[in-house]
Formats: sequence, structure tokens, C-alpha cells
Amino acid sequence: DGGITQSPKYLFRKEGQNVTLSCEQNLNHDAMYWYRQDPGQGLRLIYYSQIVNDFQKGDIAEGYSVSREKKESFPLTVTSAQKNPTAFYLCASSIGGGRGETQYFGPGTRLLVL
Amino acid sequence: SQQGEEDPQALSIQEGENATMNCSYKTSINNLQWYRQNSGRGLVHLILIRSNEREKHSGRLRVTLDTSKKSSSLLITASRAADTASYFCATSYTGTASKLTFGTGTRLQVTL
Repeated sequence: DGGITQSPKYLFRKEGQNVTLSCEQNLNHDAMYWYRQDPGQGLRLIYYSQIVNDFQKGDIAEGYSVSREKKESFPLTVTSAQKNPTAFYLCASSIGGGRGETQYFGPGTRLLVL
Repeated sequence: SQQGEEDPQALSIQEGENATMNCSYKTSINNLQWYRQNSGRGLVHLILIRSNEREKHSGRLRVTLDTSKKSSSLLITASRAADTASYFCATSYTGTASKLTFGTGTRLQVTL
């Protein structure tokens, strides 16, 4: 059963705490992405990775960090420097190739601040 | 920001009617895609139209692309209550590798 999984579904963060969101795919895709979605808004790109051990900042990377040590995994850490982290976070993957390929999305993680 | 604009922001129609939503974008593109999002869920890809194509069909979906006007439209024919969702256009701008830029979305409500 191929696809993208994200965990947890809901995540609570305390002030000053770093939290990590998990994203795993078994589609054998080279490229992976993290987006942030605020209520009633579109998606904004946080980070993306076109190949293992390489990643680039998106439009709103400040306060976030990522790693890409394995092809299947692209975890996102929301650091304490991100002052307004409450949002819906979506992970996606695509086959890669650099021409705006179709992206496949996970179910999302909703992050709330306590 | 190169984020595209969609209109209308919200659309309410009755089952059986057609729904049309529009997307405008900023610069030259490789392709334009439409995605659907049910409330609180991830996005699902619907259709992709390349910059050298003008019209594409998939089931009850029809997408048009006018590169001279930098705009696209998505038509859903004979809508159903299950079509209730938000619809987003996403553009692959020339020279931006695998990145997509998403529009602000149209919320479609189909009532019985």
C-alpha cells in the first residue's frame, strides 16, 4: 500500500520547545516538500529536497529546520524561534526531475501551541 | 510573491449545476495543476495541463489554459454533494525546478 504518512495527526507544543513532525513515503520519490497552511489560506512552501542529503529553503523557512538522510524520510523540526507555529503542516513528494511534477500529499499534522 | 490568485474565493451551487473556478498567475510556466482538499485533509491531484496545451478533460473535469492571459479555469460539470471541497491551482514556474506555487483556493459548497 503505497503512499505518504505523517505523524502525529495532532501535536502540541509548549513555549520554548522544539517539536519534530514526521513524514515518510514509500513511493520511491526523489523529491519531498513541507508546506504550511493557515486557516482559509493556500499552501506556503517551507523547505524542499530534490535528492537525499540536499535541501533548499522555501518561502517561509525561518524558524524551521529539516534533514534528508534517507530517501523515504523528510522530518521537519519547528524550533522555538518560530513564534507563530499554530498551523496545519502538509508533507508531499514527487518523482523529481525538476519540471513541476505532480505532488502526492500526506494527511497532514495539526500543530497547536499550549 | 508569485502566488496565484483564484476566484471566486467561495462558490455555492446546487447539485447538478456546473461549477467554474478561475486561476491567474504571474510569469511563464511549465505546467499548471489543480488539486482538491477536503476539510482537514491532504491535497489530492486532479489534473495537470502543460503550457503548450489549451484544454484537457478528465471525467467531469474540464481545464482550460490561456497563456496569453496567464489564466486557467476548472469546470466541474453536473456537480455532486461529494464535490464539496476546496480547490487549488498550482503553477510550476519556468526555472523553479520541482517547486509548485499554490493559489489561495476556491471553497466549493454543493447543496442537495
